[in-house]
Amino acid sequence: EIVLTQSPATLSVSPGEGATLSCRASQSVTINLAWYQQKRGQAPRLLIYSASTRATGTPARFSGSGSGTEFTLTITSLQSEDSAVYYCQQYNNWPPETLTFGGGTKVEIK
Amino acid sequence: QLQLQESGPGVVKPSGALSLNCTVSGGSIPSSSSYYWGWIRQPPGKGLEWIGSVYYNGAAYENPSLKSRVTISVDTSKSQFSLKLNSVTAADTAVYYCVRHWDGGGYYYYTDVWGKGTTVTVSS
Repeated sequence: EIVLTQSPATLSVSPGEGATLSCRASQSVTINLAWYQQKRGQAPRLLIYSASTRATGTPARFSGSGSGTEFTLTITSLQSEDSAVYYCQQYNNWPPETLTFGGGTKVEIK
Repeated sequence: QLQLQESGPGVVKPSGALSLNCTVSGGSIPSSSSYYWGWIRQPPGKGLEWIGSVYYNGAAYENPSLKSRVTISVDTSKSQFSLKLNSVTAADTAVYYCVRHWDGGGYYYYTDVWGKGTTVTVSS
């Protein structure tokens, strides 16, 4: 099973600033990685797939990059509505391999 | 727009079975190789765990950590798919989400649509 490690666990950022979230895989997932945003009390929402492709409706201030084992979600000019927990998910060779998620990064707006 | 809606009991007794349905609205479960239909859960205050997923023809894949207790099935005529989890304990208390996985025209499937989730508590 591929383990995804996200860092930092929590990020506190002022409005208008940028944020960089990291996701590291225990083995290569090529570009088969997605990012999700989960606001308090809501279901997760797909932001990015194939490591860098924005899903429909994802604002341009969200961008994904990386391949292999190192991935980054960058949020430029943070807004108050970006306060959420962000999860990465790998889907390489699924099925039949196991879908796994990272532990999440909580982004707080100061 | 496709929507997914979970339904089922909110409380299940320890050692019992948890059964949930997911109804697809605004669309259907097509006989298409482009989609899988699955379940993901989230214990209170914790992260996300994939439980398992099913293809339109009934072929299913489960998380190895839960495989011995999980059954996932599909009924395309009703636009529904279902989860059954046996021998539940307090550790199975969670929000359960039904989801759609889509290949996006490519080869690998990512999770693109989520239901709102339903809370299941295991308690006597």
